[in-house]
Amino acid sequence: EAGVVQSPRYKIIEKKQPVAFWCNPISGHNTLYWYRQNLGQGPELLIRYENEEAVDDSQLPKDRFSAERLKGVDSTLKIQPAELGDSAVYLCASSLRGLAGVFTGELFFGEGSRLTVL
Amino acid sequence: QKEVEQDPGPLSVPEGAIVSLNCTYSNSAFQYFMWYRQYSRKGPELLMYTYSSGNKEDGRFTAQVDKSSKYISLFIRDSQPSDSATYLCAMTRYSGYSTLTFGKGTMLLVSP
Repeated sequence: EAGVVQSPRYKIIEKKQPVAFWCNPISGHNTLYWYRQNLGQGPELLIRYENEEAVDDSQLPKDRFSAERLKGVDSTLKIQPAELGDSAVYLCASSLRGLAGVFTGELFFGEGSRLTVL
Repeated sequence: QKEVEQDPGPLSVPEGAIVSLNCTYSNSAFQYFMWYRQYSRKGPELLMYTYSSGNKEDGRFTAQVDKSSKYISLFIRDSQPSDSATYLCAMTRYSGYSTLTFGKGTMLLVSP
């Protein structure tokens, strides 16, 4: 079974340019996450989707970041305009709720999209 | 103060050593605890998932939770060079809430 697929793996842009990342979660996983991981830090949640609905976007910098998950499957994360401080790895993850909606603790992560803003 | 504190290391040990990795947390609402392993330039992958205080064992790995002290540990017995990775603790408030709060990770280096 294919895992979480992200693209591009690497992106180098100049500040003030736009950038977009794409994620295809594991088939059947209803929950999708975008995390940002700065160098030497743990992942920090940007947004969580349950199907098409963004249920936790409190940490998403909405002035420059946007995300969508059309039809409850693939998702895109966009930054416009990018700033130097946006250099990081952007991780997409998905998960499946078990019986009675219980979360089993397992997020399946993609390999990440590494962004460098010059 | 961050909700989850974790020493970033690096922690260097010889092959065969017993490794102890730790996290402390400040939010008593955290009830479910996980350890993820992240190899260089890869996404994290789940190693262990625990709920109650006490120990949980899986092969060479043992996860320990002490909710009264807000302290969790991961022990690795007979460490191998293939265990060299960054180990991230993660936690969440309840079983129906799937957003995880991660520590910053501890880099482990096991030398042959």
